[in-house]
Amino acid sequence: GAVVSQHPSRVICKSGTSVKIECRSLDFQATTMFWYRQFPKQSLMLMATSNEGSKATYEQGVEKDKFLINHASLTLSTLTVTSAHPEDSSFYICSARVPYEETQYFGPGTRLLVL
Amino acid sequence: GENVEQHPSTLSVQEGDSAVIKCTYSDSASNYFPWYKQELGKRPQLIIDIRSNVGEKKDQRIAVTLNKTAKHFSLHITETQPEDSAVYFCAAGVTGGGNKLTFGTGTQLKVEL
Repeated sequence: GAVVSQHPSRVICKSGTSVKIECRSLDFQATTMFWYRQFPKQSLMLMATSNEGSKATYEQGVEKDKFLINHASLTLSTLTVTSAHPEDSSFYICSARVPYEETQYFGPGTRLLVL
Repeated sequence: GENVEQHPSTLSVQEGDSAVIKCTYSDSASNYFPWYKQELGKRPQLIIDIRSNVGEKKDQRIAVTLNKTAKHFSLHITETQPEDSAVYFCAAGVTGGGNKLTFGTGTQLKVEL
């Protein structure tokens, strides 16, 4: 299957700083990538849909100025958590869709801890 | 928007037994239903999916059934093995345009020896 990488795998930062998470499709070009947030023992909550070359589409309740998404190329989407606070601590996971297929392939996730 | 409910939240079976996980969805426009398996601390992995033009799909020990009229779909795992222990998520989405998925709340499956 298609391979999606995510970096970093784990990050600890101080409150008020910004953190950038990268999501890459390694062996295919992804026009659409998705960003999810997952709390312990809970489901995957879609935050936004990232489309290459256009603005991301955010789900209701997700602050676009707080979670900046950039999809500048067909293999890279980034999520920046701006002015992070302890309540932003979570597992952030991206997925990418292979063109002309419905399947979403997930990255390994990034565990963010804001102190 | 779409709402997906999943039951049970936890399921414990003996090795060799069958496991069934059920999901319901609300949006009649949904026509794509994947199932993902997530082991602790790892990424979700697609294990099987079904589209609304078929009622059942099977892949070795795993099968999925879909009832469009009732808006529910189920995952069936036969001859369970310890390595089947994981969290399973169902999801629903619409093919084309956006392709976003709405996930169920997950089922923690434990296969006991």
